Amino acid sequence: AQSVTQPDIHITVSEGASLELRCNYSYGATPYLFWYVQSPGQGLQLLLKYFSGDTLVQGIKGFEAEFKRSQSSFNLRKPSVHWSDAAEYFCAVGPFSGGYNKLIFGAGTRLAVHP
Amino acid sequence: KAGVTQTPRYLIKTRGQQVTLSCSPISGHRSVSWYQQTPGQGLQFLFEYFSETQRNKGNFPGRFSGRQFSNSRSEMNVSTLELGDSALYLCASSNRGEETQYFGPGTRLLVL
Repeated sequence: AQSVTQPDIHITVSEGASLELRCNYSYGATPYLFWYVQSPGQGLQLLLKYFSGDTLVQGIKGFEAEFKRSQSSFNLRKPSVHWSDAAEYFCAVGPFSGGYNKLIFGAGTRLAVHP
Repeated sequence: KAGVTQTPRYLIKTRGQQVTLSCSPISGHRSVSWYQQTPGQGLQFLFEYFSETQRNKGNFPGRFSGRQFSNSRSEMNVSTLELGDSALYLCASSNRGEETQYFGPGTRLLVL
């Protein structure tokens, strides 16, 4: 069965420090992978996506992610965190056979940023 | 382009009532998906509509239903509300040929 695991429920970093959020997936074929961010009381904003090609993808707000097929991972990184990055981050995989637009999400990682 | 819009943003209902939530997709998007977000279960797929047809359905009871109109706007309905239906309901739209889903701000439903 398809699944997404985000091992870290909460992460706290200092402003200016680097960040890596982990995501592992289980999927039978090459997946479509996404990272979304959610601020309190808001919907989900797309940070970046991987469909194929270059395994290092750039997104908005200075985020990047690397697809590693051998590790079934799609970790999100940012070299220098800003206080405004405090939010919850979701990794997702999909869509599935037939192109149906169904995303499976990880449980999320809540990021706190210390000044 | 305007983003995905959802109405209402907040809703309070009592057990046993029914509720209808509305979603207007990004202009030109024909696929609309619905998700439920709760602290305990996280983000779960409810169903997807494309060209007024339900293409895919998640593992939710029949109390949860939806429909899509010819202008791609979608509604979801929950009948006989239960306390556990309290959640943030998110709608997402996408083009048929593009798998990226763009989400609206959500409707927060509280069932008392």
